[in-house]
Amino acid sequence: NAGVTQTPKFRVLKTGQSMTLLCAQDMNHEYMYWYRQDPGMGLRLIHYSVGEGTTAKGEVPDGYNVSRLKKQNFLLGLESAAPSQTSVYFCASSYSTGRKTQYFGPGTRLLVL
Amino acid sequence: AQTVTQSQPEMSVQEAETVTLSCTYDTSESDYYLFWYKQPPSRQMILVIRQEAYKQQNATENRFSVNFQKAAKSFSLKISDSQLGDAAMYFCAYRSASMGNQGGKLIFGQGTELSVKP
Repeated sequence: NAGVTQTPKFRVLKTGQSMTLLCAQDMNHEYMYWYRQDPGMGLRLIHYSVGEGTTAKGEVPDGYNVSRLKKQNFLLGLESAAPSQTSVYFCASSYSTGRKTQYFGPGTRLLVL
Repeated sequence: AQTVTQSQPEMSVQEAETVTLSCTYDTSESDYYLFWYKQPPSRQMILVIRQEAYKQQNATENRFSVNFQKAAKSFSLKISDSQLGDAAMYFCAYRSASMGNQGGKLIFGQGTELSVKP
């Protein structure tokens, strides 16, 4: 049982380049999330999805786009990377009740030069 | 909007001793969940313990227990018999019971870095 996986684990980009982060879960969870973690701060929500084909903005959505074409996958895209997007990105998934915890992927470290 | 505050950026404990990490939160909601997550150097977020706001009884998980004071909006984590493997960043987090609040997102505190001395 893989749980939540993220690809890639680490990436270096130049300013203006684009990339896609892939998140996959095998727990049949309805809800999926993308968070970013910056030094000295907890995780902040970028975008989320409450089901296949749906996406919505979180607290810090600017500069990112997402898609959820399949229930098990949630993609995070950076169209034109900026140094301010240097961060660690976490994907999470959960069932559709608040009592259930969110399960996190191992994180993707992104460095934008 | 809900907020979570961890006022201790760093804490240190001697192996086998007990340590308490503090967390306060602000909300106008009456139904919610509180969590403590552990983040070791591997960066993996690991759930340590969960508390439902409607339960008066404090949650416990082996060496980990919480002191949940709903009126004071306080949620501290006690680690007993500390072990070297407990060294990590610990995050307190809040989740509304209403999944309509941005999909039931977790709202995190800033974290407390716990070191364990042998």
